[in-house]
Amino acid sequence: ELKVEQNPLFLSMQEGKNYTIYCNYSTTSDRLYWYRQDPGKSLESLFVLLSNGAVKQEGRLMASLDTKARLSTLHITAAVHDLSATYFCAVDTRETSGSRLTFGEGTQLTVNP
Amino acid sequence: EPEVTQTPSHQVTQMGQEVILRCVPISNHLYFYWYRQILGQKVEFLVSFYNNEISEKSEIFDDQFSVERPDGSNFTLKIRSTKLEDSAMYFCASSDAILTSGGSYEQYFGPGTRLTVT
Repeated sequence: ELKVEQNPLFLSMQEGKNYTIYCNYSTTSDRLYWYRQDPGKSLESLFVLLSNGAVKQEGRLMASLDTKARLSTLHITAAVHDLSATYFCAVDTRETSGSRLTFGEGTQLTVNP
Repeated sequence: EPEVTQTPSHQVTQMGQEVILRCVPISNHLYFYWYRQILGQKVEFLVSFYNNEISEKSEIFDDQFSVERPDGSNFTLKIRSTKLEDSAMYFCASSDAILTSGGSYEQYFGPGTRLTVT
């Protein structure tokens, strides 16, 4: 059974600081996704990582994928309050479309002024 | 921009009642999914659907659950006899059948239906 583990599960940080969220998974996969979820809302796609060594950046967020280590990171640079949300990584292990996503437990990020 | 829509946004039902949750996937997508999220927990896969049949289902998707594509646009999830533990947010998602640029079979999620069973 595929396991996807995120840490930390809760993260409280000050504005302006940097931090990294980690996502480990237990089986081979070349497709990993990061989503953002605001309270009571749906899942907003942030990054799609499709190969070993993939790195993507959008604003203050940067995601990377190491398929050999089965690890993805979501790095936050100079956090601002607007980044407060829950962040999920999700792993897709199938070769074709129509496959399930297996989600991590989520990291609840709070950015304090 | 095309998006997945879901109705209703909130459904309250009594234990033992049947509920139908509705989704309109993105129009040119061919794969459809249901996920659920119990309050404060992670998102869990329920079922995927392609070419008018279930492609894959999880252990959560037991005989109480069924899915249907009754026409060319809607995709529904039915729970026959709801239990208290079915209370959750239910998300519908859809994806294309071909690789988009960059090789992603990205799934696009709807806004969710919050189901409360009393």
